[in-house]
Amino acid sequence: NAGVTQTPKFRVLKTGQSMTLLCAQDMNHEYMYWYRQDPGMGLRLIHYSVGEGTTAKGEVPDGYNVSRLKKQNFLLGLESAAPSQTSVYFCASSTDPPSETEAFFGQGTRLTVV
Amino acid sequence: QQQVKQSPQSLIVQKGGISIINCAYENTAFDYFPWYQQFPGKGPALLIAIRPDVSEKKEGRFTISFNKSAKQFSLHIMDSQPGDSATYFCAASKGTDKLIFGTGTRLQVFP
Repeated sequence: NAGVTQTPKFRVLKTGQSMTLLCAQDMNHEYMYWYRQDPGMGLRLIHYSVGEGTTAKGEVPDGYNVSRLKKQNFLLGLESAAPSQTSVYFCASSTDPPSETEAFFGQGTRLTVV
Repeated sequence: QQQVKQSPQSLIVQKGGISIINCAYENTAFDYFPWYQQFPGKGPALLIAIRPDVSEKKEGRFTISFNKSAKQFSLHIMDSQPGDSATYFCAASKGTDKLIFGTGTRLQVFP
């Protein structure tokens, strides 16, 4: 039972480089989310999706783009990485709106931008 | 703009003691208040959750106390154990809206 799988687990980027983080869930969940976790800031929502083909902005969307072409996958892209995007990124999914059910998180991607 | 304020930032408790983490919110429309537990190197996982129609919810050693008039809720861990050492996040949401997380509390329980 894989649950929510994030790829890669670690990555170091140079300023200006681009990359895509992949999130895959095998629970047939409709809702998927990307959060970033920074010391003293908690978990902040970057983008989310309420179903295949949909995306929406969260609290801190600037500098990121997302796509949900398949129900099981949610991709987070950084077009031109900046040191301020150094963080731990978490993907999560849930079957229902977050006010009604548990959100399942992946193990995180630690990204360092130098 | 911090919609959910969490304190303390860190907490050190001796084994067998009571750990208390507090959260305050501003939006009276919030109707779901979960707590998530995160171990080092792992993603957060749901620990316990409450809705505003009850003042307390208990699951084993973990209890949520909810004060609607004060717009506050807290997590109590009774008989704290070293295995409870983790970061705890409170959160809130309204209707079908997204979850808003607090800033987290790092709990360390020493033997």
